[in-house]
Amino acid sequence: DAKTTQPPSMDCAEGRAANLPCNHSTISGNEYVYWYRQIHSQGPQYIIHGLKNNETNEMASLIITEDRKSSTLILPHATLRDTAVYYCIVRVVWAGNMLTFGGGTRLMVKP
Amino acid sequence: GAVVSQHPSWVICKSGTSVKIECRSLDFQATTMFWYRQFPKQSLMLMATSNEGSKATYEQGVEKDKFLINHASLTLSTLTVTSAHPEDSSFYICSASPSIVASTDTQYFGPGTRLTVL
Repeated sequence: DAKTTQPPSMDCAEGRAANLPCNHSTISGNEYVYWYRQIHSQGPQYIIHGLKNNETNEMASLIITEDRKSSTLILPHATLRDTAVYYCIVRVVWAGNMLTFGGGTRLMVKP
Repeated sequence: GAVVSQHPSWVICKSGTSVKIECRSLDFQATTMFWYRQFPKQSLMLMATSNEGSKATYEQGVEKDKFLINHASLTLSTLTVTSAHPEDSSFYICSASPSIVASTDTQYFGPGTRLTVL
């Protein structure tokens, strides 16, 4: 699976949009981009994933560049409960394929 | 989303004893489950892939005789830490996917088990 690069930490004001970038310049055509987050002392929580089109769900939006070498996770109105480590993962999707976690971005949402 | 549970949520044991951790998929069946380990301030590291009805596949550096995995049914995988030592103290997390369709294969994680070995 391709490696990803994320900033180690970011701050965001409560109520503002949080934009978390991820570089995956070596991504292959059959690799999806996944985002998970981990709140302290809990298991990771699935957020969203996509292949090449932008995706949106009730939690977030995922913007993937046209060349697919980078993506941005957008939390439209960050709350204090969104404070967590956010992991961007690229992987070939097939039944049984595990996730490889990098360092992630520690997002701190401040009042 | 799909729900994965773990039991216990935390455990404290004496050095040399064995500890069993259960991972259950509550509302779906999973032929494959994954076990991860996370040390403080570090990322998750895959330990092994648990396959229903067959032997687990261990990552390099993970002792299969120390970390016994049994995937007895499509909803239950267990991880037994045998002869636990203080260096085995960690946060153990399992995951599973309810889908075998490639485009919708999403891993869902349990809440984790905090193991402390005294």
